[in-house]
Amino acid sequence: RKEVEQDPGPFNVPEGATVAFNCTYSNSASQSFFWYRQDCRKEPKLLMSVYSSGNEDGRFTAQLNRASQYISLLIRDSKLSDSATYLCVVNLYNFNKFYFGSGTKLNVKP
Amino acid sequence: DVKVTQSSRYLVKRTGEKVFLECVQDMDHENMFWYRQDPGLGLRLIYFSYDVKMKEKGDIPEGYSVSREKKERFSLILESASTNQTSMYLCASSRPGRIIKQYFGPGTRLTVT
Repeated sequence: RKEVEQDPGPFNVPEGATVAFNCTYSNSASQSFFWYRQDCRKEPKLLMSVYSSGNEDGRFTAQLNRASQYISLLIRDSKLSDSATYLCVVNLYNFNKFYFGSGTKLNVKP
Repeated sequence: DVKVTQSSRYLVKRTGEKVFLECVQDMDHENMFWYRQDPGLGLRLIYFSYDVKMKEKGDIPEGYSVSREKKERFSLILESASTNQTSMYLCASSRPGRIIKQYFGPGTRLTVT
């Protein structure tokens, strides 16, 4: 069983739409959670950390549900430039080990 | 701005060759990582290092070794390349800690023929 599971998509949405992705993790000892963004043929870049109380950064909102072991990312007012693959990342009790989901692809269309 | 560089963007090697992938970071980070990324599998950790000359195996270390002689440089070695090691290889670095940001290099796409 994979440590981190994501729906690969693609999610095809029009500009201005609101879109949400979920990610589930299998190990209840997971301590830190992140969303990374990866553009085609580029390296992953940190989008945002996910805190227990949920957090927002502009049009992006991240939520953590420890009881159900999932994290979510909500994007409001989608832009063409949001088109990318979004990677869910979980860090276990060993602070140096990160587990990446295989990514959810988002296509924002005009 | 943190910079992580990798020695090559694209590499083609033959089966059985010894392959060296180099990674250099300029932010004095203690932690460095090597991942491979394959479609449908996401990033998988090969090895990481938390200090000079220190290393720990990740989830898929078989067929790979690493070297960290200087803090800024972390090398991945394929002792005898095989076709199933064709992949995108990504290096990352970070400071130690709990909520830490990993900075990635641009990746090396390795093809083994």
